[in-house]
Amino acid sequence: DAGITQSPRHKVTETGTPVTLRCHQTENHRYMYWYRQDPGHGLRLIHYSYGVKDTDKGEVSDGYSVSRSKTEDFLLTLESATSSQTSVYFCAISPGHGVGETQYFGPGTRLLVL
Amino acid sequence: RKEVEQDPGPFNVPEGATVAFNCTYSNSASQSFFWYRQDCRKEPKLLMSVYSSGNEDGRFTAQLNRASQYISLLIRDSKLSDSATYLCVVNRMYSGGGADGLTFGKGTHLIIQP
Repeated sequence: DAGITQSPRHKVTETGTPVTLRCHQTENHRYMYWYRQDPGHGLRLIHYSYGVKDTDKGEVSDGYSVSRSKTEDFLLTLESATSSQTSVYFCAISPGHGVGETQYFGPGTRLLVL
Repeated sequence: RKEVEQDPGPFNVPEGATVAFNCTYSNSASQSFFWYRQDCRKEPKLLMSVYSSGNEDGRFTAQLNRASQYISLLIRDSKLSDSATYLCVVNRMYSGGGADGLTFGKGTHLIIQP
């Protein structure tokens, strides 16, 4: 058990509304990630963090922002949700020293944007 | 060549049989390789890392062929509980040599039949 929780686990929202997803870890690992998973695309990196207030973009960052004010929490915000952001969102942590190392995933958040 | 490519399957295999999957990757500079397992509607979980000399974990054997840029996973004496999607994962490298994250294949779907 990697000690990662995500909230909410399921959410239905309407187009144009802001949405914030939370990832919480209990192990104080430096690296945290947000992915989305869609049929036909596999897992795609949205943003990642390498420390408090240190974040960087992934391959599908448009329409998303992140914040990390504490080591244990990494927030993903959809400023104005669109139907194309309907997806399953996974948070991950990496106990190693770099972004190319083993990652462990949270249970996921299923988001439906109507 | 796509960054990480897998046969999506499904592979339908009788219980007790041996099954093997391959995965090809495009970046010859990649240094870290993994197999993850993902059950339906669950998060990906690390199955095993793949080492240059090959490695075994119980009924599972992973092999790396750097010359041909492929990774394989062999499952012996397959169990019903092995039914899942298996994700091939490779680290991405900057042109300068540092790691740039992980690239996930879209997965191979395995169904073990009684």
